[in-house]
Amino acid sequence: KAGVTQTPRYLIKTRGQQVTLSCSPISGHRSVSWYQQTPGQGLQFLFEYFSETQRNKGNFPGRFSGRQFSNSRSEMNVSTLELGDSALYLCASSSAGTGTYEQYFGPGTRLTVT
Amino acid sequence: AQSVTQLDSHVSVSEGTPVLLRCNYSSSYSPSLFWYVQHPNKGLQLLLKYTSAATLVKGINGFEAEFKKSETSFHLTKPSAHMSDAAEYFCVVSGSRGYNKLIFGAGTRLAVHP
Repeated sequence: KAGVTQTPRYLIKTRGQQVTLSCSPISGHRSVSWYQQTPGQGLQFLFEYFSETQRNKGNFPGRFSGRQFSNSRSEMNVSTLELGDSALYLCASSSAGTGTYEQYFGPGTRLTVT
Repeated sequence: AQSVTQLDSHVSVSEGTPVLLRCNYSSSYSPSLFWYVQHPNKGLQLLLKYTSAATLVKGINGFEAEFKKSETSFHLTKPSAHMSDAAEYFCVVSGSRGYNKLIFGAGTRLAVHP
């Protein structure tokens, strides 16, 4: 089975722009979660989608949004980019909707905001 | 609220010696606990998980962890370190019962010297 894929792998944007990141989960997985990783704050949960519905959201401003499509692929969008949004964004997929199941992570998208 | 504390930010061992990475957790219910590893410029890989079955959990690459409820600990061990074990290790707790939200510790960077 192919793993979780994320595109693009690297991205450079300017302050004030917006960006869309894409995540394709493992085939058959219906849950997709997004995390932000920075040196200062570590790994933080952004949100989770299950069957096209956002089920859980972390403590991030409304500039961070996401969606999930019927094929379970997910996108996250960050509007009005700030320097502090520079981070590695990781996507994870899981076969089930509960926290007792493994989550498999993609390689991440490295976003740099200048 | 769920949380994890990794007691050491850096651990250095010699190749062939035992590895111990310490983690304490806080949970308002019976937790699901995980250890993930992240090699440089790579995504996160699941090493092992605890979900209220056996308290001694065996994972990949010779790692294991023991769940101790009385001590609220979930330490990761390996009998003999290999150079390829050098990476960052994250202790993780399921952050929300019934949902795929993970709460990460700050990480422990493991260095392995020849």
